[in-house]
Amino acid sequence: GNSVTQMEGPVTLSEEAFLTINCTYTATGYPSLFWYVQYPGEGLQLLLKATKADDKGSNKGFEATYRKETTSFHLEKGSVQVSDSAVYFCALGGMDTGRRALTFGSGTRLQVQP
Amino acid sequence: DTGVSQDPRHKITKRGQNVTFRCDPISEHNRLYWYRQTLGQGPEFLTYFQNEAQLEKSRLLSDRFSAERPKGSFSTLEIQRTEQGDSAMYLCASSSHIMNTEAFFGQGTRLTVV
Repeated sequence: GNSVTQMEGPVTLSEEAFLTINCTYTATGYPSLFWYVQYPGEGLQLLLKATKADDKGSNKGFEATYRKETTSFHLEKGSVQVSDSAVYFCALGGMDTGRRALTFGSGTRLQVQP
Repeated sequence: DTGVSQDPRHKITKRGQNVTFRCDPISEHNRLYWYRQTLGQGPEFLTYFQNEAQLEKSRLLSDRFSAERPKGSFSTLEIQRTEQGDSAMYLCASSSHIMNTEAFFGQGTRLTVV
């Protein structure tokens, strides 16, 4: 079946530090990959996505590259801000996986200190 | 369009009572999903509609749960004879067939069963 594994949190960083949140997946077929972010008190928001191998998704300074050979989609940002404090979810989906709904990881909480 | 709307935002109910939640998707989206999220976990898929047809149900959706989307627009999720284990955040998402699997989420309904 489909599954997503994320590094456990919380991840605590100082402002302007480099961020990596690891995500690996197991899937049937060729999934699309997503990062969603959940800010305190808000709903899930799509941060970025990649739909095929070697694609790089990017948004708001965050990047992730779809690596089929390592079945990974790690999230990176060169310089985090306090406003990036949130919970980040890696997810996979797409008809090639045999279902339309998304499969999520358990989430990684990021805390950025001034 | 203000995005996906869910009502109520919070619900506290006594064990054994029935509850119903409503979701209004983005108006042009024909796909609608329900997920459940417990503390410290990622969203778990419950059920999926395309227009008014319920096309997929998770094994998580016990016979106490029922979902409808009668006119292919808003949807309701009813839980009968609630149990403490039903306490969770219930998330609704919608997507367009044109956008493939990218889903937009509501802010959720937090259910507490006491």
